[in-house]
Amino acid sequence: GAGVSQSPRYKVAKRGQDVALRCDPISGHVSLFWYQQALGQGPEFLTYFQNEAQLDKSGLPSDRFFAERPEGSVSTLKIQRTQQEDSAVYLCASSLVSGNSYEQYFGPGTRLTVT
Amino acid sequence: QKEVEQDPGPLSVPEGAIVSLNCTYSNSAFQYFMWYRQYSRKGPELLMYTYSSGNKEDGRFTAQVDKSSKYISLFIRDSQPSDSATYLCAMSITGGGNKLTFGTGTQLKVEL
Repeated sequence: GAGVSQSPRYKVAKRGQDVALRCDPISGHVSLFWYQQALGQGPEFLTYFQNEAQLDKSGLPSDRFFAERPEGSVSTLKIQRTQQEDSAVYLCASSLVSGNSYEQYFGPGTRLTVT
Repeated sequence: QKEVEQDPGPLSVPEGAIVSLNCTYSNSAFQYFMWYRQYSRKGPELLMYTYSSGNKEDGRFTAQVDKSSKYISLFIRDSQPSDSATYLCAMSITGGGNKLTFGTGTQLKVEL
């Protein structure tokens, strides 16, 4: 079946611009996560949704970062007034959360470059 | 110091070799342990998923967890050039709805 999809795959933004990154999770997956992966590093947690509720946003690096999942399916990560340090790959993952199945499945990521 | 430490490599081995990849961690609350494979410019792909201590085998892959030593391993038997990728260990405190904490990833190259 279809996996997690993300769009756009690549985004170039000038410093100070706002960007919106989209994630389509696997159908029926309750949990959705956003991670940030800097070059040569492992992904780092940003925020977590269970259905439409944002239950953990402890990893968001500043108030310029905002995420939503209004209908419990598609999610959008928005970054306002982008800075060069925001350049990274933004990964979305979804999880079924059923019985003992807690595996997180990742999308291909959006590579953001801020110039 | 990071919660999860992983040697970034690169690690280069000949085709057919047994590969050993490792992570250490400091948070004794971690209960769920995963290995992901990430090809260049792709998202991480789940390889192995284990709960608490013990071994788990899946084809050419074996995952080991030693909670007493806070040490996890992934073994790849009969390595193939297609195994060339970055291998990320990840762990979480609870299973459902809990964030993953990743290592930095080990870059592996399997040469013909």
